[in-house]
Amino acid sequence: ILNVEQSPQSLHVQEGDSTNFTCSFPSSNFYALHWYRWETAKSPEALFVMTLNGDEKKKGRISATLNTKEGYSYLYIKGSQPEDSATYLCAQNSGGSNYKLTFGKGTLLTVNP
Amino acid sequence: ETGVTQTPRHLVMGMTNKKSLKCEQHLGHNAMYWYKQSAKKPLELMFVYNFKEQTENNSVPSRFSPECPNSSHLFLHLHTLQPEDSALYLCASSQELYETQYFGPGTRLLVL
Repeated sequence: ILNVEQSPQSLHVQEGDSTNFTCSFPSSNFYALHWYRWETAKSPEALFVMTLNGDEKKKGRISATLNTKEGYSYLYIKGSQPEDSATYLCAQNSGGSNYKLTFGKGTLLTVNP
Repeated sequence: ETGVTQTPRHLVMGMTNKKSLKCEQHLGHNAMYWYKQSAKKPLELMFVYNFKEQTENNSVPSRFSPECPNSSHLFLHLHTLQPEDSALYLCASSQELYETQYFGPGTRLLVL
């Protein structure tokens, strides 16, 4: 069974704060790790796909790291803005014939002005 | 805009009704997916189509019937649903299996 865990479940920060949250996943048979940003009433938006141990990806103020040996990924947001408020999802797919994505429950981020 | 649209956005139906959810992608992708998100649960894969052929049925009850007439359109036909089927149903597409999936905004379904 492939379980993807995200923590914390929710997070409140003040505008300007930097923050980070965690995605944990089984490290065996790893293929790729995906991060999505999901605003209420909108479509989940793909942020990053990461495949290599030690990978670090960046998109504006948001960055992510990957450790496939220990089975975790961190998402960092620098200088949070109210428009960063959303649920951040991570998902893993394993290799071979298993192309299915297994999602975590997400981290709900609220940035207070 | 992700290039994936879903209609309707909201749907209320009785347990004896028959309805259909529609998904359309304008990205030229070959794979399409249906997901379900129930309250306080992660997104759960239901069906996968690749080049119009179903490649995955994740033990979904037969009251949910998918249809993929071409690579751009995906339907989910609903009949004799139960109240516990109330959820958000999301469609996604990807260029190929394994590649990044692009999601629609979902249909919020309420079964009375």
